[in-house]
Amino acid sequence: GQNIDQPTEMTATEGAIVQINCTYQTSGFNGLFWYQQHAGEAPTFLSYNVLDGLEEKGRFSSFLSRSKGYSYLLLKELQMKDSASYLCAPMDSNYQLIWGAGTKLIIKP
Amino acid sequence: GAVVSQHPSWVICKSGTSVKIECRSLDFQATTMFWYRQFPKQSLMLMATSNEGSKATYEQGVEKDKFLINHASLTLSTLTVTSAHPEDSSFYICSVHRTGGTPYEQYFGPGTRLTVT
Repeated sequence: GQNIDQPTEMTATEGAIVQINCTYQTSGFNGLFWYQQHAGEAPTFLSYNVLDGLEEKGRFSSFLSRSKGYSYLLLKELQMKDSASYLCAPMDSNYQLIWGAGTKLIIKP
Repeated sequence: GAVVSQHPSWVICKSGTSVKIECRSLDFQATTMFWYRQFPKQSLMLMATSNEGSKATYEQGVEKDKFLINHASLTLSTLTVTSAHPEDSSFYICSVHRTGGTPYEQYFGPGTRLTVT
């Protein structure tokens, strides 16, 4: 079956660094997306990895290991506005996104 | 600017009535649009895949006669919740895949919050 595993909730301090891990199992693989979702809003795109390695984009970086079925999202210099849910969503062989419940990130001053 | 719009952004309706939600691709043609539903503190649940000019493909457990999808043009898909009940209250989100685009090019609408009283 298809499965996503992320921590339910994480807490970090403003200005710090946090890493959100994701393990997945899918039927085929066409890349992995990370989305940010604020409460009551639709997801917004953060990153897309299809090859192994680290993709850096400003304060956010995403890493993928296809052989391990593992990805992480790294957020640096945390700001209060980064408080949100972070969704790891691999894309299966039918180009369908597989969603977990996401990780709720709480930033404290 | 916004790539995908949804209308209305929120709606309150009485039990037993029908509600239509529109999803528009503003910047490009979209052969495929996806409809999701999200209950509070839960993951997005794919309801159906909407293909322009053909019948939508519904996910297991989603009643096609209750959730009517029409994708009549390359820029517009509609979801009609028929005979709505309080348990249909949810956040409905569409996403759009650009025709001929890479898997990367999938964009979400802002969502529609439906409350059935």
